[in-house]
Amino acid sequence: LAKTTQPISMDSYEGQEVNITCSHNNIATNDYITWYQQFPSQGPRFIIQGYKTKVTNEVASLFIPADRKSSTLSLPRVSLSDTAVYYCLLLGGDDKIIFGKGTRLHILP
Amino acid sequence: DTEVTQTPKHLVMGMTNKKSLKCEQHMGHRAMYWYKQKAKKPPELMFVYSYEKLSINESVPSRFSPECPNSSLLNLHLHALQPEDSALYLCASSQDQAGLASSNEQFFGPGTRLTVL
Repeated sequence: LAKTTQPISMDSYEGQEVNITCSHNNIATNDYITWYQQFPSQGPRFIIQGYKTKVTNEVASLFIPADRKSSTLSLPRVSLSDTAVYYCLLLGGDDKIIFGKGTRLHILP
Repeated sequence: DTEVTQTPKHLVMGMTNKKSLKCEQHMGHRAMYWYKQKAKKPPELMFVYSYEKLSINESVPSRFSPECPNSSLLNLHLHALQPEDSALYLCASSQDQAGLASSNEQFFGPGTRLTVL
């Protein structure tokens, strides 16, 4: 049973900022929020991970409110090559590794 | 070298065949994983090896048999598979076992596309 809930799909346009929200109401104290990206016929690729507040790296930002019951992956100025499935999962609270159903992001020209 | 390699890329086998999938990493990672992914579904964890010992078996049928000959190699032996076992099989590795510590980013291989006839 997935511990996270995400929108099934999203569409956006090139150059826009895209925000994908993940709900995790039962997040454990030791859980870290982790996001992966997957292109068709490839393995998932790690994007970003955070525990609280905000984390930023060269490809994305992750916003986590104080209650940690949700998180938002922010992709700045997307391009066509960002079309992929984005998975949110919780790691660290136990030894379970359960990918959520993922969000299919489709970037339009 | 930050790559996980998997061979073969594609495999077609009959239900009576025996075949093996191979995975290799040279990042010095101590944890390795097998996942199964059906079309348009998320990856599902099958097995985890930590320090060359089987750490997690997610109730996988015995027709799938994992093996970790050394810290760089992971095999998945297949025997008497069913057509519903057709899927993309992904291998991954991480510094230490993910799920037990925070920053254990998993590096995934490209997968083996398995078709069982």
